[in-house]
Amino acid sequence: QVRLVESGGGLVKPGGSLRLSCAASGFTFSDYFMTWIRQGPGKGLEWVSYIGGSGSAKYYADSVKGRFTISRDNARQSLYLQMNSLGAEDTAVYYCARGERGLDDAFDIWGHGTVVTVSS
Amino acid sequence: DIQMTQSPSSLSASVGDRVTITCRASQSISSYLNWYQQKPGKAPKLLIYAASSLYSGVSSRFSGSGSGTDFTLTISSLQPEDFATYYCQQSFSNPPFTFGPGTKVEVK
Repeated sequence: QVRLVESGGGLVKPGGSLRLSCAASGFTFSDYFMTWIRQGPGKGLEWVSYIGGSGSAKYYADSVKGRFTISRDNARQSLYLQMNSLGAEDTAVYYCARGERGLDDAFDIWGHGTVVTVSS
Repeated sequence: DIQMTQSPSSLSASVGDRVTITCRASQSISSYLNWYQQKPGKAPKLLIYAASSLYSGVSSRFSGSGSGTDFTLTISSLQPEDFATYYCQQSFSNPPFTFGPGTKVEVK
């Protein structure tokens, strides 16, 4: 069964750091690019970051560039998002999603999300 | 970066109605346009990819059309389980892969 499970969310103070993880199962992880998408309270979906299958290609939304770092461990079938210098605007549900080249890069599998709350 | 807009932002409809949602890109994205459905408290689900291709397992009452900058998602006969928020998303060229602001389909 193809599955993505996020973890690592929680309450963090402004200026703090958090590392999110996404565990993949049921497919060959290295064959797919992966993304992080977030959704603030009552807001729409915001694409956050992308990483290619080998881990060499990485892209970030302007809103997180320089503060967030995406990485992956293909041997562990895991995706990560290191988040530093967090602010209230980063409060959101964070989803990891699989990108499928065969579907013109659509995000076909999503995790259930992990909640990040930035508050003092 | 490519910007995406959707209209309307919300709509009220009844079961059995035909519903159309429009998405527009700020520049041509060929057919690199995807549609997702999200219900409250749940992760989004892929409905349509490449503008008009139905994702596996998705009901045929959903259809997509368009190319270039203008796209539509149509629900041919609205069912109770279709009340949700719908997002378009472009996957043209390199990231950022921007989403539209969403269209909430509510019960009339």
